[in-house]
Amino acid sequence: GQQLNQSPQSMFIQEGEDVSMNCTSSSIFNTWLWYKQEPGEGPVLLIALYKAGELTSNGRLTAQFGITRKDSFLNISASIPSDVGIYFCAGRSNTGNQFYFGTGTSLTVIP
Amino acid sequence: DAGVTQSPTHLIKTRGQQVTLRCSPKSGHDTVSWYQQALGQGPQFIFQYYEEEERQRGNFPDRFSGHQFPNYSSELNVNALLLGDSALYLCASSSVGTGVFYPTYEQYFGPGTRLTVT
Repeated sequence: GQQLNQSPQSMFIQEGEDVSMNCTSSSIFNTWLWYKQEPGEGPVLLIALYKAGELTSNGRLTAQFGITRKDSFLNISASIPSDVGIYFCAGRSNTGNQFYFGTGTSLTVIP
Repeated sequence: DAGVTQSPTHLIKTRGQQVTLRCSPKSGHDTVSWYQQALGQGPQFIFQYYEEEERQRGNFPDRFSGHQFPNYSSELNVNALLLGDSALYLCASSSVGTGVFYPTYEQYFGPGTRLTVT
């Protein structure tokens, strides 16, 4: 199945720094979801986006639905140690019911 | 409000055996999707159930089958297990919401079942 490209693959940052990651697809999507997954657990939904250009925040997290509808971005401001985990994007088109997942961005925050 | 629950948590099976995994959706959700997540990869869509029928299927062989019950809970069955079936199996539940301008679609995952095939 299709898999979305996420970058960067991994990030090592100092506590307090801002983080940016993105997700690109060859297909147009009408829904983008961002998840965080910690070891041994299921992904936790962070933010949902439904409209091109939409900017949505959840605390220190901000995500954007790209204008082309083929990409999405996630920013984390003032990172803290509990932000550590793998962040996945997921996209869904209006021609199907399944979500396609990105390859993940592994985030490590150094205290 | 209980979230998505899955059982069992861990499972060890031998090649050729069959396995059944179970999922209870989040309260108010009527759609259940199953995903396979191999180590170091993103979840891969297996299939989705709605109104007790398989609504969409990903690129998985017929050895993978499922069922949805009237209470929206679901089972994933895998026959003739292969070593490559070892993975974290995730269940996700959802329901189409009515947003102000467009329908919303949020999908919530359970903790997963770790299947090891030896």
